[in-house]
Amino acid sequence: GAVVSQHPSWVICKSGTSVKIECRSLDFQATTMFWYRQFPKQSLMLMATSNEGSKATYEQGVEKDKFLINHASLTLSTLTVTSAHPEDSSFYICSASGLAGVNDEQFFGPGTRLTVL
Amino acid sequence: GQNIDQPTEMTATEGAIVQINCTYQTSGFNGLFWYQQHAGEAPTFLSYNVLDGLEEKGRFSSFLSRSKGYSYLLLKELQMKDSASYLCALSGAGSYQLTFGKGTKLSVIP
Repeated sequence: GAVVSQHPSWVICKSGTSVKIECRSLDFQATTMFWYRQFPKQSLMLMATSNEGSKATYEQGVEKDKFLINHASLTLSTLTVTSAHPEDSSFYICSASGLAGVNDEQFFGPGTRLTVL
Repeated sequence: GQNIDQPTEMTATEGAIVQINCTYQTSGFNGLFWYQQHAGEAPTFLSYNVLDGLEEKGRFSSFLSRSKGYSYLLLKELQMKDSASYLCALSGAGSYQLTFGKGTKLSVIP
């Protein structure tokens, strides 16, 4: 099956610093990648959708200047949390979809746990 | 918009059968997914329904009734490793985005 990796798997940083999370599709070309955030005991909340070579589409309430998304190639998308604060501490999960069109299965990465001190 | 409702927690006995329900309201529908998520891990795909009826896959089955806005996930021969959260997710009309329910935390006891 399709494999999606994320790096790092966990990160601890100081308040005010920026953190970059990578999401890679290892054995397929991902035309679309999704970034989710999950707080403890809550469900996944979609943050943004990115298509290779174009700007990401952010969900309502998600600050695009704070959560920078780059989908530079068909196998890599990055999420940069700029000027991180303790309230940004969360589990960030990416998923990738390989075909154009609707209802293509999303393959999830293993997630990145971010802790901001 | 979309609204998804599923029970918060359930407990079942090892070897038994458990049914996790999901009801939804949506302005457009393209499919319903079920995912399993163990604590601290990413979701893993279990099933996908786009037409009414039952889809069976080993110990797991998923049912959909579009007219009733209702789905369920059926787990048979429960094993301890099935203890996890089960997420119901909707794909809306003309969209490949998923909206997730809050998940049902299933605890399997001996």
